[in-house]
Amino acid sequence: GQSLEQPSEVTAVEGAIVQINCTYQTSGFYGLSWYQQHDGGAPTFLSYNALDGLEETGRFSSFLSRSDSYGYLLLQELQMKDSASYFCAVRSKDTNAGKSTFGDGTTLTVKP
Amino acid sequence: DVKVTQSSRYLVKRTGEKVFLECVQDMDHENMFWYRQDPGLGLRLIYFSYDVKMKEKGDIPEGYSVSREKKERFSLILESASTNQTSMYLCASSEGYGSYNSPLHFGNGTRLTVT
Repeated sequence: GQSLEQPSEVTAVEGAIVQINCTYQTSGFYGLSWYQQHDGGAPTFLSYNALDGLEETGRFSSFLSRSDSYGYLLLQELQMKDSASYFCAVRSKDTNAGKSTFGDGTTLTVKP
Repeated sequence: DVKVTQSSRYLVKRTGEKVFLECVQDMDHENMFWYRQDPGLGLRLIYFSYDVKMKEKGDIPEGYSVSREKKERFSLILESASTNQTSMYLCASSEGYGSYNSPLHFGNGTRLTVT
């Protein structure tokens, strides 16, 4: 099976950099994904790491280390609109559909 | 743009009722998923399907069933609704076998209240 752990809450100020960590235990997975969910909205895909290393998409970067069973999402130049919940997820090798298992989510609050 | 549409945004049902939650996607995706989301518990997978008429249990299938008669439509059925099934239900779709970097596309959710 799969289990993922991430901090429940993180607070930062506008313009700062914040890192949201995700540690996982899994029997085998294709990659680590990150999703963003604003209050009342649907989760939306942010990034995916199939291989170890850093993936950069604008202000957001994501990192994976399979040897450490660890990944993180890095948000730079924080804006108020970044206040949301962030979920890490692993795509399992167990099934044809490559089902995704999610962490419990990290609520990011950006303060002025 | 992929669109995943859930038929109801809010639903109130009574204990013991049979409840149908409908989900339709317009991108010809092979995979479809039903999750429930509760505060502090993240997204938990109920059932998923990788092809028409194919279904597999997720992590919390008890009390639920699903139907996939057409590729674009995936229904979640609560055979006899109970108060502990009060939750936000999220449908998602993704590309099929081999496309493991393909992201999940979520609908806006159905907030179900069972009284």
